[in-house]
Amino acid sequence: QKEVEQNSGPLSVPEGAIASLNCTYSDRVSQSFFWYRQYSGKSPELIMSIYSNGDKEDGRFTAQLNKASQYVSLLIRDSQPSDSATYLCAVPDSWGKLQFGAGTQVVVTP
Amino acid sequence: EADIYQTPRYLVIGTGKKITLECSQTMGHDKMYWYQQDPGMELHLIHYSYGVNSTEKGDLSSESTVSRIRTEHFPLTLESARPSHTSQYLCASSELNRGQYEQYFGPGTRLTVT
Repeated sequence: QKEVEQNSGPLSVPEGAIASLNCTYSDRVSQSFFWYRQYSGKSPELIMSIYSNGDKEDGRFTAQLNKASQYVSLLIRDSQPSDSATYLCAVPDSWGKLQFGAGTQVVVTP
Repeated sequence: EADIYQTPRYLVIGTGKKITLECSQTMGHDKMYWYQQDPGMELHLIHYSYGVNSTEKGDLSSESTVSRIRTEHFPLTLESARPSHTSQYLCASSELNRGQYEQYFGPGTRLTVT
């Protein structure tokens, strides 16, 4: 079992709707969690970090963390065609190296 | 946020050539990383460094080597390029933010070996 699991998608979302992305992780002692956005052919871009249980909002993005369930999610509100990308969940291992999920491809349809 | 530079951005080279991919950052970050990623595929960590004169192999075996003689510079070398080395190579570094390390990526080098 991989340390970080994501649904690969593609997740098709109508423009203006909410995109909901899920990520589960296996290391119970993880303290920090990250979401990256990667456009095709480009490098990953850090868009959200979350360190404590609950919700963290930044613009149209909301990260939700539940450490008891080892689950972190990303909501994209009012989805735009420019949100079409692959979203990577990342969790540090015990050595501080990031373990990345395989990524969820999001396609926002006009 | 970190400014990470990679050169060249694109490289097409023949089999058997020696190549060095450059990565530099000016923020004084101790932790630096090299990833390999094929189109549409997962990121794979191939090398990392936690400081000067510290280098370790990553989760994916790679024929490349790295060096870390200066904090700001983390080059990756392939002694003899092969078509199987064709891929995108991404450099990253981490900065400490509110007690947690946040990792930022450079723009990448797309390598094609013919």
